[in-house]
Amino acid sequence: DIQMTQSPSSVSASVGDTIAITCRASQGISSWLAWYQQKPGKAPKLLIYSASSLQSGVPSRFSGSGSGTDFTLTISSLQPEDFATYYCQQGNSFPLLTFGGGTKVEIK
Amino acid sequence: EVQLLESGGGLVQPGGSLRLSCAASGFPFSGFAMSWVRQAPGKGLEWVSSISGSSGSTYYADSVKGRFTISRDNSKNTLYLQMNGLRAEDTAVYYCAKDRDKQWRYLDYWGQGTLVTVSS
Repeated sequence: DIQMTQSPSSVSASVGDTIAITCRASQGISSWLAWYQQKPGKAPKLLIYSASSLQSGVPSRFSGSGSGTDFTLTISSLQPEDFATYYCQQGNSFPLLTFGGGTKVEIK
Repeated sequence: EVQLLESGGGLVQPGGSLRLSCAASGFPFSGFAMSWVRQAPGKGLEWVSSISGSSGSTYYADSVKGRFTISRDNSKNTLYLQMNGLRAEDTAVYYCAKDRDKQWRYLDYWGQGTLVTVSS
């Protein structure tokens, strides 16, 4: 099974900051990677798919990069509504999808 | 507008059974694979099971294989998860989710979730 490891597990930042969250796959997954945002008590929301493609309706301050085993989600100019937990998910071994452990973005 | 609405969660004793339902609307239901993903309290996301649009193919995580059965009724636009032999570690919020683009790789719409609690 492909394991997904996210870092950091949590990050404190201020409104207007730019942050980066990384995700590492235990084996190469090409660009078959997604990023989701989850707010407390809510369902996950797809932000990025295929490593760098922005899902419809998602603000352009969210961007993704990477291929193979190392991936990054960058959030530019953090907004108050961006404070949430973010998960990566590999789609290489579909339909057996696996998620990273999550990164909580907190207000500094 | 795509909508997914889960129901059927609740409190069940270890070894018991429960059937979850997910009513879908706003898209051609039979044309898309569907999945169940769960989240234990305070934990991350875990893929549970997926089914093709035609019900011809089903897949399960090792943790639920042999105990859970995924199915769908395309005439009712409804997805199901039959859960038997429930264990304490099955306690979680269960989400149904829609395949984004018929490639089984990403989930673009999720329901609000239904809580399953396994406890005596």
